[in-house]
Amino acid sequence: AQSVTQPDIHITVSEGASLELRCNYSYGATPYLFWYVQSPGQGLQLLLKYFSGDTLVQGIKGFEAEFKRSQSSFNLRKPSVHWSDAAEYFCAVGGNNFNKFYFGSGTKLNVKP
Amino acid sequence: GAVVSQHPSWVICKSGTSVKIECRSLDFQATTMFWYRQFPKQSLMLMATSNEGSKATYEQGVEKDKFLINHASLTLSTLTVTSAHPEDSSFYICSYALQSNEQFFGPGTRLTVL
Repeated sequence: AQSVTQPDIHITVSEGASLELRCNYSYGATPYLFWYVQSPGQGLQLLLKYFSGDTLVQGIKGFEAEFKRSQSSFNLRKPSVHWSDAAEYFCAVGGNNFNKFYFGSGTKLNVKP
Repeated sequence: GAVVSQHPSWVICKSGTSVKIECRSLDFQATTMFWYRQFPKQSLMLMATSNEGSKATYEQGVEKDKFLINHASLTLSTLTVTSAHPEDSSFYICSYALQSNEQFFGPGTRLTVL
């Protein structure tokens, strides 16, 4: 079955600290992986995506993610969190044939001053 | 590039009325698009997949007669929530598949049914 698991519902980090948000997926074909960020009442903003090639991908706002096929994971990282990063983060997986996306349940990030 | 708009961004209606939500691709054309909904504090759930000129394919549990999708052009799709009830209150998000492996999302429409 196709699914995405984000095991952390809420995460709180201090401003300036590093961040890692976990994402595990189950997908029956070649996975195309995405991380989105959503601020309250807003739509989705794409942070980064992985299609193929280098397994460490760089995104906007200083985020990066690493694809690990053996672990079926696509964890999102940021070395130093800013207060403006407080939002909800969604991991998603899709395929290569106009397939629908499967979204994780989201991780809400709080940033302490 | 790849900008998707939705209108309205926020709508309040009375129970029993119908509401139409528009989704437009502004700078590209695409055959395939998707409608999602997101309940408060929950993730996005796919409602239906739509190909221009064809009937939409609805996900299990989504009533096709309640959520009418019209996808008559490569740049415009509409979702009509018929006889809306308070349990239909949600955040509705559309997306277009510009490429076979990527979707571009609209900003969402918040529907509140009183």
